[in-house]
This record gives sequence, C-alpha cells and structure tokens, in this order.
Amino acid sequence: GAGVSQSPSNKVTEKGKDVELRCDPISGHTALYWYRQRLGQGLEFLIYFQGNSAPDKSGLPSDRFSAERTGESVSTLTIQRTQQEDSAVYLCASSPWTSYNEQFFGPGTRLTVL
Amino acid sequence: QQQVKQSPQSLIVQKGGISIINCAYENTAFDYFPWYQQFPGKGPALLIAIRPDVSEKKEGRFTISFNKSAKQFSLHIMDSQPGDSATYFCAATPDQAGTALIFGKGTTLSVSS
Repeated sequence: GAGVSQSPSNKVTEKGKDVELRCDPISGHTALYWYRQRLGQGLEFLIYFQGNSAPDKSGLPSDRFSAERTGESVSTLTIQRTQQEDSAVYLCASSPWTSYNEQFFGPGTRLTVL
Repeated sequence: QQQVKQSPQSLIVQKGGISIINCAYENTAFDYFPWYQQFPGKGPALLIAIRPDVSEKKEGRFTISFNKSAKQFSLHIMDSQPGDSATYFCAATPDQAGTALIFGKGTTLSVSS
C-alpha cells in the first residue's frame, strides 16, 4: 500500500514569510508525528497526534510553529514568520495503534529560508 | 541535554567487513530501541528494534546487542555491502503509545567495494 507522503518535497521561502507543510499518513494509522532534521543532526520531535485526543505539542520550538490534523487523516505543519534557523528537513511519521512504536516516515519536506 | 549518544559520526568499512555502531542512553524509562536506516533524499526506515527483555536480536545480516546495566546498545552489520551505505540512527523511547522517539545524531556508513 501507499506509504506516508509529504508535500511539497522542497520549499524555498524568504525570511518572514509563512509556510505550510502537508503530511498524508498511511491509511488506518492513528498516530502521526512531526520531526525536524537539521543538517548533520538527528531528528527532533515537534508534535504528536493520536486520534481525536489533544496533541502533544511539547516539542514545538516556538509559538511560530503550529500543526493541525483532521481526524486520522491529513496533517499540516505551519511555520509563521520563518527564520533562517527554521531551515531543515521536516519529516512526518505515522504508526498504527497495534504497533504504536513502529513509526513509518515520509520522505520529508526540505525547507530553505533565505 | 542529549539523551541518546551515538558513535562514531562516520564509518568506512570494506565490503564484506563488519560495521559496528554504538549508542548509549541515560533515561532508564526507555525500553524500546529501534535502529533506522536513511538514504539520501529519503525518510528514515525502520531496520530492526529491540526491547530489554533480550540481550540480542538478529535479522539477516543485522544484529542489535543490548546491555541494560551499561545502558548501551549497538548495531552490527555483518558482511557489509556497498548497498548498506547510508546514515544509521539509533533511537530510544518508553515502550508505550504516544511517546516520541529520541534519536541519536546518526552515523554515516560508507562501504567500499
């Protein structure tokens, strides 16, 4: 079946602009995660959604970052007033309830803030 | 505070050799330890994972060794192949729903032919 998809694959924006990144999880996966991967670094957790429960936003680095998810489907990560330090690859992952720790990652969106 | 320390940062191995990547963790609440493989331009893919009820898990050429008392775990790639050239990440998390993976910084493996 189809894996996790993300769009756009690449995004170049100017400092101060807002960006929206999209994630389509694997159908039937109840959990959805967003991570950030800076060049040469590991993945940093940003936010977690599980079904209709309140999201875990503990990893969001500032109030410029927000995310939404509609039920158990698409999620969007929004970064307002982008800064150069926001440049990174943003990865989305989903997992099924039965194997909640087995996270399946999408290919990521490479964000470049000029 | 980095909760999962991974070494080495990069590794060059001859084809047919053994690649060994090490990780150490601090949080005793961690009890699920996966390894992910990432090729350039792709998202990480789950390779193999272990829980602390066993000290070793093997899947094909990939083996995880786990030392609970030392809070360390390692990935061994036997008979390394050029196709194994990728970045490898260890991770750790409590084995419960709704917890994020805490990743090491990654090891870039190059297998020379």
